[in-house]
Amino acid sequence: AQSVTQLDSQVPVFEEAPVELRCNYSSSVSVYLFWYVQYPNQGLQLLLKYLSGSTLVKGINGFEAEFNKSQTSFHLRKPSVHISDTAEYFCAVSNGGSNYKLTFGKGTLLTVNP
Amino acid sequence: NAGVMQNPRHLVRRRGQEARLRCSPMKGHSHVYWYRQLPEEGLKFMVYLQKENIIDESGMPKERFSAEFPKEGPSILRIQQVVRGDSAAYFCASSPDREAEAFFGQGTRLTVV
Repeated sequence: AQSVTQLDSQVPVFEEAPVELRCNYSSSVSVYLFWYVQYPNQGLQLLLKYLSGSTLVKGINGFEAEFNKSQTSFHLRKPSVHISDTAEYFCAVSNGGSNYKLTFGKGTLLTVNP
Repeated sequence: NAGVMQNPRHLVRRRGQEARLRCSPMKGHSHVYWYRQLPEEGLKFMVYLQKENIIDESGMPKERFSAEFPKEGPSILRIQQVVRGDSAAYFCASSPDREAEAFFGQGTRLTVV
């Protein structure tokens, strides 16, 4: 069975500061990894995904994530955040070969303060 | 191309009533997925459907819950005899095939009173 652990439930930062949202997973098979963002009262929007290839993945809105197989991690980073980045961020994993049946973490609430 | 449309956005039901949640996938998408987000939790997979077929319902509760995706019309998630524990946000996603990225709707927030 797969599982996803997002180590921080809340991350407050100041505007223009760097941020890292942590995600660790466990799986007995190869996986696809995803980060989604959920703005208040909105659906989930895909930020980026790792399927194969380069372990550094760049996504939308200036976010990037690095897949580390030995540490089973897929941490999300942004060098300089904006107020508009305030949202809930979810890390998710699926079995390699399928994009469906995603297993999500509990989410990290990123709050960007002026 | 409109996104995944879910309605209603908010639904209030009394205990024992039925809840019907609708999902219209994106144009050209024939694969639909339902997820449930309980308070303070991440989304959990419920069911995967293609037109007129249930492909994977391993995440569906054994009783009171059912889903369909008819040849014409939206996908429906039906919850009979709702209980307070059914209060959650229910998200639908769609994709053109099972290997492609799934796009999520805005969700239906069900409150059982």
